[in-house]
Amino acid sequence: AQKITQTQPGMFVQEKEAVTLDCTYDTSDPSYGLFWYKQPSSGEMIFLIYQGSYDQQNATEGRYSLNFQKARKSANLVISASQLGDSAMYFCAMREGPGGSEKLVFGKGTKLTVNP
Amino acid sequence: KAGVTQTPRYLIKTRGQQVTLSCSPISGHRSVSWYQQTPGQGLQFLFEYFSETQRNKGNFPGRFSGRQFSNSRSEMNVSTLELGDSALYLCASSSLTGGGEHQETQYFGPGTRLLVL
Repeated sequence: AQKITQTQPGMFVQEKEAVTLDCTYDTSDPSYGLFWYKQPSSGEMIFLIYQGSYDQQNATEGRYSLNFQKARKSANLVISASQLGDSAMYFCAMREGPGGSEKLVFGKGTKLTVNP
Repeated sequence: KAGVTQTPRYLIKTRGQQVTLSCSPISGHRSVSWYQQTPGQGLQFLFEYFSETQRNKGNFPGRFSGRQFSNSRSEMNVSTLELGDSALYLCASSSLTGGGEHQETQYFGPGTRLLVL
């Protein structure tokens, strides 16, 4: 079973508008971390935002915020005031448990295109 | 602080050859992980090293191997290359201390694009 599901293969948004990228996850571990990364066409994965399973508040980093709904097992990324440079692939990822492993499990990604 | 560096950035090999990719983590980071990214399979975990020890391994054949040196630099090796090994290979480092802090962020390098002909 897929642990991370990103149901939107592609999304389009107008410059300066907000956009939400969906991510649902599946885990039975009470301790986990959720991450969002941006991958421009150059290939490098750029860390955007992190949410821990025990965090009481939704994470925010500048124009990025994470809409964390634990009961629904969703961790949607919200990008406010989209810019042309936001056009890229976006990946949701999860790390489970305190087991000391760095293994990240990634979703298939969403390709975001920002139109002028 | 310098980011994660990977060399080479691009590589073309033929089937049956072997290849070695290198990764230098962020200074002070002791954990290095490797991922393979292909259009069909997406991003898949290869292995993770911490203090020169492999701590976790993904579901890849034995042709894929790696190691980590005392300065935390890491190499991965793929022997007997197959066409399906063509991929972007990404290295990531984190300052994970070994206590299992899942909130430690992995920082990725620019990747090595391998093409197997």
